[in-house]
Amino acid sequence: QVQLQESGPGLVKPSQTLSLTCTVSGGSISSGGHYWSWIRQHPGKGLEWIGYIYYSGSTYYNPSLKSRVTISVDTSENQFSLKLSSVTAADSAVYYCARAGDTAIFDYWGQGTLVTVSS
Amino acid sequence: DIQMTQSPSSLSASVGDRVTITCRASQSISSYLNWYQMKPGKAPQLLIYAASTLQSGVPSRFSGSGSGTDFSLTISSLQPEDFATYYCQQSYSPPQTFGRGTKVEIK
Repeated sequence: QVQLQESGPGLVKPSQTLSLTCTVSGGSISSGGHYWSWIRQHPGKGLEWIGYIYYSGSTYYNPSLKSRVTISVDTSENQFSLKLSSVTAADSAVYYCARAGDTAIFDYWGQGTLVTVSS
Repeated sequence: DIQMTQSPSSLSASVGDRVTITCRASQSISSYLNWYQMKPGKAPQLLIYAASTLQSGVPSRFSGSGSGTDFSLTISSLQPEDFATYYCQQSYSPPQTFGRGTKVEIK
C-alpha cells in the first residue's frame, strides 16, 4: 500500500519561500510510471493542482503558479519537494502530495498539511 | 482552463438514501472525469475514474456515469461513513481542474 506524508513548516512569512517535502513509502518513486504531484486547497474553497514531477526530473506546472514553483525529486530518499517563492496570504492553504498515473488520476494522497502565510 | 461546476454545493440526506451529485465541464472532456471523497484530517480517496470505473476497494454502492460535459456520481444507499465532501476532477487537459465540491451532510 503506497503512503504519502507531507512535512514542513506550518507558518511562513510573506515574501518568503514555502518549502514542503513528501515522503513516499510502500512504493518507489524511481520505479517510474507515475507522476508525483502537489495539490492545494484554500480554506473553504476547491482544489488547485500545482504541478508534478516524474522520477527522471521532468516537471509540469500549473501556468498560474509556474513562475513561483519548483518541484524536485530525491529518489535516494524516496521523496519529492515543493518550493513556492514570494508567498502571500493567498498562498495559505492545505497542501497535499499525491501520486498520479499518466492519465492524471490521483490514486494516492497524503493527509495534507496546513500552511499559513503570516508575519 | 476547463471549468468544472458541481451541484449541489451541499445536501442533507439520511442513511439509506440514494444520493446523486452532478458535475459539468465547460467543454467536452470525453470520459476523463474522476471523483474523490474527502474527509477532514484524512487522505483524500479516489472513488471513480474514467467517469464510471470503480477504483479497487471502493464499495459498489458508488457509481459514476456520463461523458462529454455532463457527469454524475451516485451513492445508491448512503452509509454513515459516506458523509464527506466529494470532488470531481477533469484529467482531459492540463492544468487538471477540480470542481468546488459537494458536502454531504446528515439530515
